[in-house]
Formats: sequence, structure tokens, C-alpha cells
Amino acid sequence: ETGVTQTPRHLVMGMTNKKSLKCEQHLGHNAMYWYKQSAKKPLELMFVYNFKEQTENNSVPSRFSPECPNSSHLFLHLHTLQPEDSALYLCASSQGQGVNTGELFFGEGSRLTVL
Amino acid sequence: GQSLEQPSEVTAVEGAIVQINCTYQTSGFYGLSWYQQHDGGAPTFLSYNGLDGLEETGRFSSFLSRSDSYGYLLLQELQMKDSASYFCAVKDDDKIIFGKGTRLHILP
Repeated sequence: ETGVTQTPRHLVMGMTNKKSLKCEQHLGHNAMYWYKQSAKKPLELMFVYNFKEQTENNSVPSRFSPECPNSSHLFLHLHTLQPEDSALYLCASSQGQGVNTGELFFGEGSRLTVL
Repeated sequence: GQSLEQPSEVTAVEGAIVQINCTYQTSGFYGLSWYQQHDGGAPTFLSYNGLDGLEETGRFSSFLSRSDSYGYLLLQELQMKDSASYFCAVKDDDKIIFGKGTRLHILP
């Protein structure tokens, strides 16, 4: 138990569906992240939020839409995805800007399959 | 661009010592982290080097040389449970960028 909870753990969706991934952290952290992990690729940083403000968008296609209503919750809204978007989506949190420990706390991930 | 290079696979014997190297080229640099990920699990933090030198945490040690853009993770007294993927990661302000990972195989 890392203190970061992701739901759903598994998701299968068609290319025309709209779905959302949810992440919640109970660690009192101020920064939250979305990463994508595909086979044989490094963890790819998608988005970073610090104190609810988006500070990084790593050239992610607009079919992925993040939302951070508060420092404890992070969503990833998905629409009109492609089969190549099938991957493990990992949420992480950290203490935030100004704290140089490089330590991320990851959730267990949401395994997404796009048909 | 930003890149982190580490070997894709390493094999070692139970009880032995293994070193996993990481070289990086990034636009900014605050420090180097190491993470462990077992199959089907989430990455878990192992260590962080913000300054040059060696950091020791139990059986694991991590080293950083900022002038060489190089670091390594040293695992001692290997156990079968250490079979996993190990990732180096660079902290660049708000971003933490990961390498492709090194798959560690441990032989009995």
C-alpha cells in the first residue's frame, strides 16, 4: 500500500468510447503525475500538476485530458483513443516543488486496452 | 533532447554483487533516482543522489558523478526477490524522466 490508489485497475474500451481514470493520494503531497508505461518503452511522463496547477504537458495528444480538482485527486479523461494507446497508466505523487528528493509514490496502475 | 541509457538486461548469481549503470543527457538536472519494479507491480523508490558520491541503504547503494553524467546502483548479497526491473530517473525541476529499465535476472 503506497498511499496512492488508482481505479479502475483494468479497463477495456472501444475507440469511440469515453472513459476516465481516477487517482487519489492520501499522503498530503502537493504534486501529482500521470505516466504511461508500454512494453519495451521507458515510463513516459504525460502530465505534472503542482498545487492543482498543470506545470508540464509532455506533448500529449488531446484525446488525453487531465483534470486535477484538488491536490489529492487526479483524473485522466480518455476519448477516441487508438489501439496504440493501450498501456499501463501510472499515477504518482510527490511532496512537490522545492523538495529535492526525487521520490515518487506510484499507484498500482490502470491497465488500458483499446480495441 | 533528453536521454537516459542503462543496460536492458543483467544476470547475476544469488549472493553475489551486481552494478547497474546509468548515463544521462538532460536539459536540466537536480538529481538521480533509482526505482525497482516487479512484474505486475508499481515502481517503488530505492534511492536518490542529489550530490556526487555514494548513498547507502542496506544492501543497496547508489552513486552519482555529475561531471560524468553517470550513476550506478549497486546491489549486494543478491536474493531471488531482487529479480525485477530497475529504472534510473533524472529529476529536472518538476519533471522526473525515466530510463528504459534494466531487467535483473538472478540465478540460484
